[in-house]
Amino acid sequence: KAGVTQTPRYLIKTRGQQVTLSCSPISGHRSVSWYQQTPGQGLQFLFEYFSETQRNKGNFPGRFSGRQFSNSRSEMNVSTLELGDSALYLCAGRAGHTDTQYFGPGTRLTVL
Amino acid sequence: GENVEQHPSTLSVQEGDSAVIKCTYSDSASNYFPWYKQELGKGPQLIIDIRSNVGEKKDQRIAVTLNKTAKHFSLHITETQPEDSAVYFCAASTNTDKLIFGTGTRLQVFP
Repeated sequence: KAGVTQTPRYLIKTRGQQVTLSCSPISGHRSVSWYQQTPGQGLQFLFEYFSETQRNKGNFPGRFSGRQFSNSRSEMNVSTLELGDSALYLCAGRAGHTDTQYFGPGTRLTVL
Repeated sequence: GENVEQHPSTLSVQEGDSAVIKCTYSDSASNYFPWYKQELGKGPQLIIDIRSNVGEKKDQRIAVTLNKTAKHFSLHITETQPEDSAVYFCAASTNTDKLIFGTGTRLQVFP
């Protein structure tokens, strides 16, 4: 079956702009989590959605937000972009009955 | 707060040798410990995982051991091959989808 897809794969924005990233988990996987990966901070948890509800949130400012749709697809939004938001943004889906999270290839965001 | 320490940060081995990566977690409530392999330009891929009610798990050349008392868990790769070269991450979680990741180990296997 198809894996986790993320769009776009690459994005270049300027400071102050906003961006929306999309994630489609594997069919049947209803939980979606988002992570930020940077060389300095490593992999950090942003938030997790299940059945369109945010169940858990990491220590990121309110500029980072997300949502999930009824088909389990998820989007994350970053407003008022800062240079430090440049990172690889990864999403991961999980089936309800297992612990395993399956990651997508990520969206590489560059803020100039 | 929750923290996972991972060592070493880089590891170079000769093809055929074994590689061991170690992690220590801080939250005693952690009960799920996955290991991920990340190749350049790709997302992390699960290679093996273990739950806290098991002390060891093996899958062909890969094994993971868990010491709950010491809050340590380790990844063992035997008979390493050049295609094992990648960055490996350990992680821990407590019944949630919030994975706390280690800082990663860059493994290089030389032919």
